[in-house]
Amino acid sequence: NAGVTQTPKFQVLKTGQSMTLQCAQDMNHEYMSWYRQDPGMGLRLIHYSVGAGITDQGEVPNGYNVSRSTTEDFPLRLLSAAPSQTSVYFCASSSPELAGGPDTQYFGPGTRLTVL
Amino acid sequence: LAKTTQPISMDSYEGQEVNITCSHNNIATNDYITWYQQFPSQGPRFIIQGYKTKVTNEVASLFIPADRKSSTLSLPRVSLSDTAVYYCLVGDRVGANNLFFGTGTRLTVIP
Repeated sequence: NAGVTQTPKFQVLKTGQSMTLQCAQDMNHEYMSWYRQDPGMGLRLIHYSVGAGITDQGEVPNGYNVSRSTTEDFPLRLLSAAPSQTSVYFCASSSPELAGGPDTQYFGPGTRLTVL
Repeated sequence: LAKTTQPISMDSYEGQEVNITCSHNNIATNDYITWYQQFPSQGPRFIIQGYKTKVTNEVASLFIPADRKSSTLSLPRVSLSDTAVYYCLVGDRVGANNLFFGTGTRLTVIP
């Protein structure tokens, strides 16, 4: 299994440009999430999905859109990039733990985005 | 949602046992305590999870007192490769969206 994959690894955008960060998982996990991590900070939840066709907002959703047409893929779209969106973006997937407790999240390697 | 408080940073020499304590005074009855490890330029990785008392796996131990208002991650005999940021999270089993990462504890292992 490849686990959680993200593309691209690095991206530079100009203010106002749009782009899509790709995320895919091959573990048949129901839940997928997008986080951003700013320098010296923890991770903040942007959007998440509990299954195909179902998405919801996290802590910092403004400026981002998501969709979940398949179990495997969960792309994150930046509609009009701003310098404040310069960050490292992590995608994660997880499945409910049958034994109880929160899901174990599996993270991708991240996409480092710079907006000029 | 329960918030957590951890030390910002810790230093330790190789071979020592390291204990990182996390405070979560507002933990709810259904909440579990989960620890993740993050190396530079990588995504976080699950280390250990527990509800009460003590949990041990091949990587670490997690100690949770009876009142559950704090927890301690114990790393036995750390090596240079354990240098990382360690995050304490508190939440219940409802989806992956209710676990919040704080700033974590940056552990530096010194030769």
